[in-house]
Amino acid sequence: GAGVSQSPRYKVAKRGQDVALRCDPISGHVSLFWYQQALGQGPEFLTYFQNEAQLDKSGLPSDRFFAERPEGSVSTLKIQRTQQEDSAVYLCASSAAGSGGKTNEKLFFGSGTQLSVL
Amino acid sequence: KQEVTQIPAALSVPEGENLVLNCSFTDSAIYNLQWFRQDPGKGLTSLLLIQSSQREQTSGRLNASLDKSSGRSTLYIAASQPGDSATYLCAVKGSGGSYIPTFGRGTSLIVHP
Repeated sequence: GAGVSQSPRYKVAKRGQDVALRCDPISGHVSLFWYQQALGQGPEFLTYFQNEAQLDKSGLPSDRFFAERPEGSVSTLKIQRTQQEDSAVYLCASSAAGSGGKTNEKLFFGSGTQLSVL
Repeated sequence: KQEVTQIPAALSVPEGENLVLNCSFTDSAIYNLQWFRQDPGKGLTSLLLIQSSQREQTSGRLNASLDKSSGRSTLYIAASQPGDSATYLCAVKGSGGSYIPTFGRGTSLIVHP
């Protein structure tokens, strides 16, 4: 594709609902990152995939957060039993190379999914 | 743990001014540093990437410098325009184990006509 695509663009959930956020990276990109951005803050790392392997999930805030990339392309971030503190913009980024991140490839970001938990 | 700080947090200037945005980081063992632009309600757009072995990168009216030993980078914007209004973020990729980019909180820039 022409760029990183994320859907939905906006998601409103009632507290306790499960949500699934989708990221479609640039075709052929090996690395995929998920970040969480609260209002007025910089993006905070959640998890990193190299192809289908989840190499780093140290940023996931709790076991309610789960991410997968089963075929090494599209990725889904799932949040179970959403809480108000989960309200944020969830950003996905991809880059061409892998090597566990040891590259100087630029990151390309999607427009994000704005999640509001009521 | 790498900490990235950006100063100032916000900046409002008249059109035509030359600007300097600052980014500092606590761990100098870095792989690269990348500057991004974020427009309201949008994702991040990469502006410049400086590898650890480089001192600066230029693209049009933008120039980014890197002083790894002092843990600093600056983004210089020449002859600012209203279209430059956005939030500017820097991201540092460490080389000491985790190669995950760490972001600062950004500088919110308004350039008024």
